[in-house]
Amino acid sequence: RKEVEQDPGPFNVPEGATVAFNCTYSNSASQSFFWYRQDCRKEPKLLMSVYSSGNEDGRFTAQLNRASQYISLLIRDSKLSDSATYLCVVNLFLMNSGGYQKVTFGTGTKLQVIP
Amino acid sequence: GAVVSQHPSRVICKSGTSVKIECRSLDFQATTMFWYRQFPKKSLMLMATSNEGSKATYEQGVEKDKFLINHASLTLSTLTVTSAHPEDSSFYICSARPSGRNTGELFFGEGSRLTVL
Repeated sequence: RKEVEQDPGPFNVPEGATVAFNCTYSNSASQSFFWYRQDCRKEPKLLMSVYSSGNEDGRFTAQLNRASQYISLLIRDSKLSDSATYLCVVNLFLMNSGGYQKVTFGTGTKLQVIP
Repeated sequence: GAVVSQHPSRVICKSGTSVKIECRSLDFQATTMFWYRQFPKKSLMLMATSNEGSKATYEQGVEKDKFLINHASLTLSTLTVTSAHPEDSSFYICSARPSGRNTGELFFGEGSRLTVL
């Protein structure tokens, strides 16, 4: 089983639609979670952190389910500018290994918002 | 926000030469920096974790003699691709985690596109 799994898509949705992505992770000791956005040929940029209680930033809502080991990203009222690849990132901080931090990326889910 | 600068953004070299890529945190100190490579239409693959003042931790399957990492200061890590070959052509990205923050949030460089002829 992959450490972090995402549906690669592509998700083709019309403007204004609501779309949701899921991401599952295999290591139950993982501690922090993020969604990054990557545009073609660019570096990833942090979209939002994911908190246990769920968090919202404008049209974006992120949720974490530790029991089932998945995180989700919901985008409401999709805009053309939302077209990008969304990367799920899982962070494991190993204190017993001298503070070694293992950061694992999902393969990304491609979103294409259509006019 | 925190800024990470990566240089060069593009480099073309002949097979057999070595190429150095720099990653600098401009407005924060980073005890830990990460190096990734990304193939077209694929996700980021972590190559190694760079720790200031100590040896880098390489992921399984990554040749440490091929990809030399040096993290000599709290604001600079370098990746040297030694004796580059065409199969090393890729997009290399670094990221840095501000010292003292355990949130896991990372800040990325702009990436370096390496083409080996």
